[in-house]
Amino acid sequence: GEDVEQSLFLSVREGDSSVINCTYTDSSSTYLYWYKQEPGAGLQLLTYIFSNMDMKQDQRLTVLLNKKDKHLSLRIADTQTGDSAIYFCAENLSNSGGYQKVTFGTGTKLQVIP
Amino acid sequence: DVKVTQSSRYLVKRTGEKVFLECVQDMDHENMFWYRQDPGLGLRLIYFSYDVKMKEKGDIPEGYSVSREKKERFSLILESASTNQTSMYLCASSPRLMGVDTQYFGPGTRLTVL
Repeated sequence: GEDVEQSLFLSVREGDSSVINCTYTDSSSTYLYWYKQEPGAGLQLLTYIFSNMDMKQDQRLTVLLNKKDKHLSLRIADTQTGDSAIYFCAENLSNSGGYQKVTFGTGTKLQVIP
Repeated sequence: DVKVTQSSRYLVKRTGEKVFLECVQDMDHENMFWYRQDPGLGLRLIYFSYDVKMKEKGDIPEGYSVSREKKERFSLILESASTNQTSMYLCASSPRLMGVDTQYFGPGTRLTVL
């Protein structure tokens, strides 16, 4: 299966940490991604993790991958109002035709309260 | 800088009209994709193309068709628009092998069908 699930909404206070969670069902994905969508815009790649890694840190962003539980999370430290956006997790899969495609989660809307 | 452009940001059409959504990328990418984005459903893949004149159905192709006559251009066609096709449409492109270099998105076209 190719379902990627996220909670729809998260609200945090400015300066706190945000943790956005994602579960996926296909264990054959090679890369997992986090995308950010600001209001009125398309999606932008925020960060990625290769499937043989457990953790990746990039400035205020920390990605954790638990392959056993098929769980991916994105932690944003010191959350700012500019972080308010919709965050999508996604996985890179090969379909039955041998082509690669990316399956996206439902998106989590992060609201940062000043 | 990769650029993916879409012909319109906002479009209003009437039921039964034929609608063309155009997407152009300037990075010589082999792969191009059309998604629709609806609240609570995330991104759903409509069609994708791995080469000129090639197309593959995504998860929700019904009511849509596509055309890829040139490498840089991928068109989405609604043969007879219906109200349930009111949505945000996102185009993306990527190199043939997706890994770290994953999909680049256009700004989206918000289509309203009356």
